[in-house]
Amino acid sequence: NAGVTQTPKFQVLKTGQSMTLQCAQDMNHEYMSWYRQDPGMGLRLIHYSVGAGITDQGEVPNGYNVSRSTTEDFPLRLLSAAPSQTSVYFCASRIYGNTEAFFGQGTRLTVV
Amino acid sequence: GNSVTQMEGPVTLSEEAFLTINCTYTATGYPSLFWYVQYPGEGLQLLLKATKADDKGSNKGFEATYRKETTSFHLEKGSVQVSDSAVYFCALISGGSNYKLTFGKGTLLTVNP
Repeated sequence: NAGVTQTPKFQVLKTGQSMTLQCAQDMNHEYMSWYRQDPGMGLRLIHYSVGAGITDQGEVPNGYNVSRSTTEDFPLRLLSAAPSQTSVYFCASRIYGNTEAFFGQGTRLTVV
Repeated sequence: GNSVTQMEGPVTLSEEAFLTINCTYTATGYPSLFWYVQYPGEGLQLLLKATKADDKGSNKGFEATYRKETTSFHLEKGSVQVSDSAVYFCALISGGSNYKLTFGKGTLLTVNP
């Protein structure tokens, strides 16, 4: 049972480069979301999706794009990386409603 | 909007000490409440949850009771171990927020032998 799988685990980018963080889940969960974790800030919601073809912005969406073409996958795109996007990124999935979330292992991104 | 406030750390305890991490919340609707734990270098894992007032969630010796009158969900453990060293996050989900998961800022716990 893979759960939520994120790739890559580590990434270093140069300012201005673009990249996609991958997230896949095999639990048939409708709800998927991306968070970033920064020291002293907890987890902040970037984007979320309540089902294939439906996405919406969270607290800190600027500089990021998402799409949800299938139930399983929810990639996060950084359009033009900035040092302020250095962070640890977590993908999570759950059944829609008041249910617990399942998290991936995280992607540690450094933008230089 | 929804918010979660938890005690700021870091918290340092000796093995077998009693642990309390305070958590209070504001929410629309009837939230479900969660405690997540993050061990070093890992993602978040659900530790325990409570879905309605007066429910007690428990797991691995940790407990928390959903107190609607004080809007609190404090985490407790009677005797901590070195292996409990981690970051603990209080969180809530409410239908009034389109079921977005809202986190506190996290509390780093270090348990010394």
